[in-house]
Amino acid sequence: GESVGLHLPTLSVQEGDNSIINCAYSNSASDYFIWYKQESGKGPQFIIDIRSNMDKRQGQRVTVLLNKTVKHLSLQIAATQPGDSAVYFCAENPTGGGADGLTFGKGTHLIIQP
Amino acid sequence: GAVVSQHPSWVICKSGTSVKIECRSLDFQATTMFWYRQFPKQSLMLMATSNEGSKATYEQGVEKDKFLINHASLTLSTLTVTSAHPEDSSFYICSARGLAGGRETQYFGPGTRLLVL
Repeated sequence: GESVGLHLPTLSVQEGDNSIINCAYSNSASDYFIWYKQESGKGPQFIIDIRSNMDKRQGQRVTVLLNKTVKHLSLQIAATQPGDSAVYFCAENPTGGGADGLTFGKGTHLIIQP
Repeated sequence: GAVVSQHPSWVICKSGTSVKIECRSLDFQATTMFWYRQFPKQSLMLMATSNEGSKATYEQGVEKDKFLINHASLTLSTLTVTSAHPEDSSFYICSARGLAGGRETQYFGPGTRLLVL
C-alpha cells in the first residue's frame, strides 16, 4: 500500500546548528501533512503542519517545506537545542485537516550533541 | 486547548485477561477519536477510528473482536484489549481532532504502555 517514509533513521547535529529532517510520501492524493515530535515514552507532540496549496510554512524555529512535484516533505529546525532531541515523524492525511486517521512515516531520531 | 489524556499510563497484566484503556478529550469535544499502536523503535500504526454513537472503523488486519472500541460520549473513547497475550504488549496511543493555537489538527494523548506477561 501507499506509505510515508523517511530517508534517514538517525540524525546527529551539534547544538546550535540547524537540522533538516526529510520525508518522502507516495500518496499523491494527500493534501495535508503534519510533523510530530515524540520524546521517549510519550505521545507525539504537534510541531507544524502544511496543506498542499502551500510549499512553505514557518513556525517558531521550525520550517516545513513541501515539494509536491517529487512528493517530498522536510522539517528544518534552526539553532537546535538539547530539548530538540527526540524522534520526529511526518504524517499525512488524504482529506486534509486531520479528519482521518494519519499515516506515519518511519521516524528520524534526532540527536543533539553538546 | 486540545489536551488529550489517557488512563492508565501503564498496565501489566497476565495473559488471558482483558485490559481497558480510556482516552479523554479534556477541553473539547471530539466526535471522532483514533487509536494507534506503536511497537518499540517503530512508527505509529493506525488501528481504528472511533466514532461517537456508532461503530468503530478498523484498519485492515486489526481484529475488531480483539480490540473493542466504545465511544460513549463526545469526550471519551475506550479501547479494550480482550484476552491479552504477550504479542499485544505495545504502546497504545489515542488522538482526537481539536483546536489549539489557531490550528485544528490531530492531537495525541500521552500513550498507555501495556505489558502482557
